[in-house]
Amino acid sequence: DADVTQTPRNRITKTGKRIMLECSQTKGHDRMYWYRQDPGLGLRLIYYSFDVKDINKGEISDGYSVSRQAQAKFSLSLESAIPNQTALYFCATSDPGQETEAFFGQGTRLTVV
Amino acid sequence: GQQLNQSPQSMFIQEGEDVSMNCTSSSIFNTWLWYKQDPGEGPVLLIALYKAGELTSNGRLTAQFGITRKDSFLNISASIPSDVGIYFCAGRNFGNEKLTFGTGTRLTIIP
Repeated sequence: DADVTQTPRNRITKTGKRIMLECSQTKGHDRMYWYRQDPGLGLRLIYYSFDVKDINKGEISDGYSVSRQAQAKFSLSLESAIPNQTALYFCATSDPGQETEAFFGQGTRLTVV
Repeated sequence: GQQLNQSPQSMFIQEGEDVSMNCTSSSIFNTWLWYKQDPGEGPVLLIALYKAGELTSNGRLTAQFGITRKDSFLNISASIPSDVGIYFCAGRNFGNEKLTFGTGTRLTIIP
């Protein structure tokens, strides 16, 4: 089983719909992140959380919200999806003790039509 | 937001060739990381660098932390088909908890 699990793996949704992407981890890490990947732009940080009560905006948080339900769970929501949110989304975790390593899930491919 | 400049954007090589790619930043980093992303998967850490001038190897991969702290290099020797994928650099500033990622280098091996 993967250490960082994302659901769903693929999703097609209509413009204006609310959608939630979920992430769970078994690594026991406090820190969790949501990234977006677009061709030619690499990985850009949407939101991050350093513990259950901590939520921080990344560089492209507009149009997104997150919820850290437990240490192991971090979900990303698109309140009203729009086509330019079509992208590959990755959840990642890291351990403050090791600081620099980030462990990624397999990604969720989201298409907004 | 800040992004790292990674080059080249794509490479088309023949099996057995050596590969070089690099990443540059306008600001100093205290840590450089190199990741590889296979098709349909998330990035996986290849090499971590923590000191300026550091040279670290992982099998056929060798990465260097630039002396200026503003760049890093990744070399792959004697490429094989499983090297295909997207390679990302990432850096962390002093006092910053977050990673900044490069735009990626897509490696393709020509039969």
